[in-house]
Amino acid sequence: GENVEQHPSTLSVQEGDSAVIKCTYSDSASNYFPWYKQELGKRPQLIIDIRSNVGEKKDQRIAVTLNKTAKHFSLHITETQPEDSAVYFCASNTGRRALTFGSGTRLQVQP
Amino acid sequence: KAGVTQTPRYLIKTRGQQVTLSCSPISGHRSVSWYQQTPGQGLQFLFEYFSETQRNKGNFPGRFSGRQFSNSRSEMNVSTLELGDSALYLCASSLGQGDTEAFFGQGTRLTVV
Repeated sequence: GENVEQHPSTLSVQEGDSAVIKCTYSDSASNYFPWYKQELGKRPQLIIDIRSNVGEKKDQRIAVTLNKTAKHFSLHITETQPEDSAVYFCASNTGRRALTFGSGTRLQVQP
Repeated sequence: KAGVTQTPRYLIKTRGQQVTLSCSPISGHRSVSWYQQTPGQGLQFLFEYFSETQRNKGNFPGRFSGRQFSNSRSEMNVSTLELGDSALYLCASSLGQGDTEAFFGQGTRLTVV
């Protein structure tokens, strides 16, 4: 089955700095890569996703890149703000099974 | 449109008991997946149901089971509860075919004492 590895497990940055979280996957059939943000006590919510036919996608301060050859994808958050503090999960899917999640990254943005 | 609804929100059970959790997906969604979340353990996949059939299963013991009804609502059952089963149980619904977003419910917080 699919295996998704996520690094780092914790990340602390100063407000205004950038944050990068990286994931690798094992199933070459995976074609959908979402990122979820989970704030304390809340449900995970999708913040951005990318499909295998594109290499990069951007939404304001958040961007995701995908390298299908190397089987890795990354989340980039620029100009971080305290409200970005949360746990971030990457995931992958082939469209015919449930999402496989990475182990999560706890991001702390220091004001 | 209504989101994913999980009931109950909180449960306290005693070791050895059994428990049933419910998940009502977004209307039109045919896939329901269940995840166990414990501190520091991320989202551990339990199983996925699509059109009333279990399509995928994670590495959990047979005490964990589920089912899906014709209206796509799903239930998860845990028998012979152990202290280690204390966790937040999340369900996620999606269309289930193709690369589509999964929407999570608020979760059921199960405490086993």
